[in-house]
Amino acid sequence: GESVGLHLPTLSVQEGDNSIINCAYSNSASDYFIWYKQESGKGPQFIIDIRSNMDKRQGQRVTVLLNKTVKHLSLQIAATQPGDSAVYFCAENESAGDYKLSFGAGTTVTVRA
Amino acid sequence: DTAVSQTPKYLVTQMGNDKSIKCEQNLGHDTMYWYKQDSKKFLKIMFSYNNKELIINETVPNRFSPKSPDKAHLNLHINSLELGDSAVYFCASSQVRSSGNTIYFGEGSWLTVV
Repeated sequence: GESVGLHLPTLSVQEGDNSIINCAYSNSASDYFIWYKQESGKGPQFIIDIRSNMDKRQGQRVTVLLNKTVKHLSLQIAATQPGDSAVYFCAENESAGDYKLSFGAGTTVTVRA
Repeated sequence: DTAVSQTPKYLVTQMGNDKSIKCEQNLGHDTMYWYKQDSKKFLKIMFSYNNKELIINETVPNRFSPKSPDKAHLNLHINSLELGDSAVYFCASSQVRSSGNTIYFGEGSWLTVV
């Protein structure tokens, strides 16, 4: 399953399939990006980050891709599991030492059994 | 061994009351934050303190007053509560580095004003 365009509020994906969550950021000067996962009733949790001098970074079952030309960030989740159901946020730091982290609107991912 | 803890988790109160939310972090971070999450899940920064000094103060009504007695604590006091203040408030902390600023969040405080 994939969210397309600037942002799609919800994404429904079959268990075992790959998920792609997209995010468009606004500031071309942004230097550092983070993906967060927020489960129901909990606070946002760090998933993976990437700096602007990279275009891809991999973690456990997750990959973040950064396209600075079009100011686009994506999170790919491999073999989506029920525990991946959550709201996913991208966040940008205008510069690596900046205190302020600005969040996108969030995408709700629902995993179908 | 909760990293960022905030209390209370749930708070229901009447309009016009004054309430406080407390936050503590045991990560040794220098910077702490308050974020507000509305009903559409949008997260917006309210305040940030670095070593007890206010460094970010977004457009927030002055009914909201943060207080940082030391760098491990950042409390949020809200005067004259209004219906529109109903939201989830997240405390967070980070150690800002040249490599980036990863913020760690608490579990949230659900405020309902009736």
